[in-house]
Amino acid sequence: GQQLNQSPQSMFIQEGEDVSMNCTSSSIFNTWLWYKQDPGEGPVLLIALYKAGELTSNGRLTAQFGTTRKDSFLNISASIPSDVGIYFCAGRRANNLFFGTGTRLTVIP
Amino acid sequence: NAGVTQTPKFQVLKTGQSMTLQCAQDMNHNSMYWYRQDPGMGLRLIYYSASEGTTDKGEVPNGYNVSRLNKREFSLRLESAAPSQTSVYFCASLKGDLYEQYFGPGTRLTVT
Repeated sequence: GQQLNQSPQSMFIQEGEDVSMNCTSSSIFNTWLWYKQDPGEGPVLLIALYKAGELTSNGRLTAQFGTTRKDSFLNISASIPSDVGIYFCAGRRANNLFFGTGTRLTVIP
Repeated sequence: NAGVTQTPKFQVLKTGQSMTLQCAQDMNHNSMYWYRQDPGMGLRLIYYSASEGTTDKGEVPNGYNVSRLNKREFSLRLESAAPSQTSVYFCASLKGDLYEQYFGPGTRLTVT
């Protein structure tokens, strides 16, 4: 299957710090999506990106669709305890989504 | 508006047993999907249904069958469960042309 490399695999940060994570692929995607998953729950869509170079914000979250169409970035500003969870990127090609392996975020109060 | 619902939430099966995982969405979406999530593997597509009456294989379809019963419901069946099918299964539906997928809460399946 398609390989999406997500980094870092895990992060431990202090409350109030900013967070950056990214997703890269050897293949081009037409859409990039970012999801957050809480324990025991399904992934929840955070941000969707549709054009190369697009920068989109959702509250304290900002994501970018890389200009090469092979990568995407997610930033979280001023982290809070409820930001804890696993963040997944997903890239779309044709009718399918391909998911990264996730970044596990821990926020230390 | 419940979004995407799945039943059951937990299930334990013995090797060789069969079961059906149920999924329903009330958002009037045309497309629905079944994924499995394993540790360190992210989400992998098992089957999808682009519209009522159609189904297609995803990345890991072996050992599974699906039925798109109507626009709302998309079920996943394991005919003869194997320990390798121990996983968390997620159903999702797709909003229009924007390719925004919305997920259910998952079914945690253990096959012993």
